[in-house]
Amino acid sequence: AQSVAQPEDQVNVAEGNPLTVKCTYSVSGNPYLFWYVQYPNRGLQFLLKYITGDNLVKGSYGFEAEFNKSQTSFHLKKPSALVSDSALYFCAVRGIQTGANNLFFGTGTRLTVIP
Amino acid sequence: ETGVTQTPRHLVMGMTNKKSLKCEQHLGHNAMYWYKQSAKKPLELMFVYNFKEQTENNSVPSRFSPECPNSSHLFLHLHTLQPEDSALYLCASSPSVPSANEQYFGPGTRLTVT
Repeated sequence: AQSVAQPEDQVNVAEGNPLTVKCTYSVSGNPYLFWYVQYPNRGLQFLLKYITGDNLVKGSYGFEAEFNKSQTSFHLKKPSALVSDSALYFCAVRGIQTGANNLFFGTGTRLTVIP
Repeated sequence: ETGVTQTPRHLVMGMTNKKSLKCEQHLGHNAMYWYKQSAKKPLELMFVYNFKEQTENNSVPSRFSPECPNSSHLFLHLHTLQPEDSALYLCASSPSVPSANEQYFGPGTRLTVT
């Protein structure tokens, strides 16, 4: 079975400090991994994805994520947080071998950047 | 914006009403999706269409009925809903399925069932 865990419902970080939003996954075989962000009253916006290749993936707005196969993790990071980064962040996974395009999402982590 | 629009943005309906949600994508994609987003729960995939053909129905109650007349439009017809169906309904699209491509989401319809 495929699943995603985001162990923290809420992450608070001071503006200018580095931020990490955690994600672990479970999937048969190799995964496709995604991060999305949701601002209030908006749909989800794609941030970045890991398909293959370099374990460190860079995405929009200065975000990056590191794929760690041994720890089955795909944590989202940013070196210096901005107040405007405050939003709800979702990790998602799809197994490569599955025929369907089901993306399995986590429950989301609310990031608050404190001025 | 993302190129995916949804109407209406907000909908309040009684349990005996019939209403429809509309989604339109301007991205030239061939796959479209309906998701349900409830607080503190993972997004729930409801339906998937690929080239106008339904490829997924994740055990969704029959009071939700999807329609995909072409690759650019997707509808969700609602009838005799329950209060627990109140949620944000998100439409998304992607080039095709199966795919490593990301999905593009609309802003959602906030549905309240009274």
